[in-house]
Amino acid sequence: DTGVSQDPRHKITKRGQNVTFRCDPISEHNRLYWYRQTLGQGPEFLTYFQNEAQLEKSRLLSDRFSAERPKGSFSTLEIQRTEQGDSAMYLCASTSGGIQVGTEAFFGQGTRLTVV
Amino acid sequence: QKEVEQDPGPLSVPEGAIVSLNCTYSNSAFQYFMWYRQYSRKGPELLMYTYSSGNKEDGRFTAQVDKSSKYISLFIRDSQPSDSATYLCAMTYDNAGKSTFGDGTTLTVKP
Repeated sequence: DTGVSQDPRHKITKRGQNVTFRCDPISEHNRLYWYRQTLGQGPEFLTYFQNEAQLEKSRLLSDRFSAERPKGSFSTLEIQRTEQGDSAMYLCASTSGGIQVGTEAFFGQGTRLTVV
Repeated sequence: QKEVEQDPGPLSVPEGAIVSLNCTYSNSAFQYFMWYRQYSRKGPELLMYTYSSGNKEDGRFTAQVDKSSKYISLFIRDSQPSDSATYLCAMTYDNAGKSTFGDGTTLTVKP
């Protein structure tokens, strides 16, 4: 396992369409995080999973966003009825535990979404 | 006001210079402090993380935390052109492990 993998790397979609991104974490990592990063800004937390359970969602995650992690392995992030403001880099990260041991988060290369 | 404020830069230095990157924060509950390096159009890569106040050294990199002043720094010695990237500070305070990031400082090291 060479790290966190995200697919696709780039996605261009028309406003109003639905998109889905996939993240494959490091295999032994039970925590998985989604962040969003816009140009010139740092990543902003969206949501995270402990195994298959989604434990927290940011206020940034509107009703149009949904994330899943079936079987506690890969995760998907879906955006329905995309808007131009959704254009950003969507980053996935994984760790092996909580704050005591899991601050070493490994990030994927991100999925760059452009809504036209 | 953001919980984490980072010196915006950009920063341009000659090769071999010592670089200082800085962040301040407002939430005293932050316990872990991280520095990430991010190359253009890539995901962040963890450089260093620290828990307590004081210094932590790793090769040419030194992370410094002053919890009393809510101030953290990353020093890069003998900077190299390959160090040219955006540097992000990040902090964590709860068991979730989710991080609050600064907006990054873009560094260019000129040969």
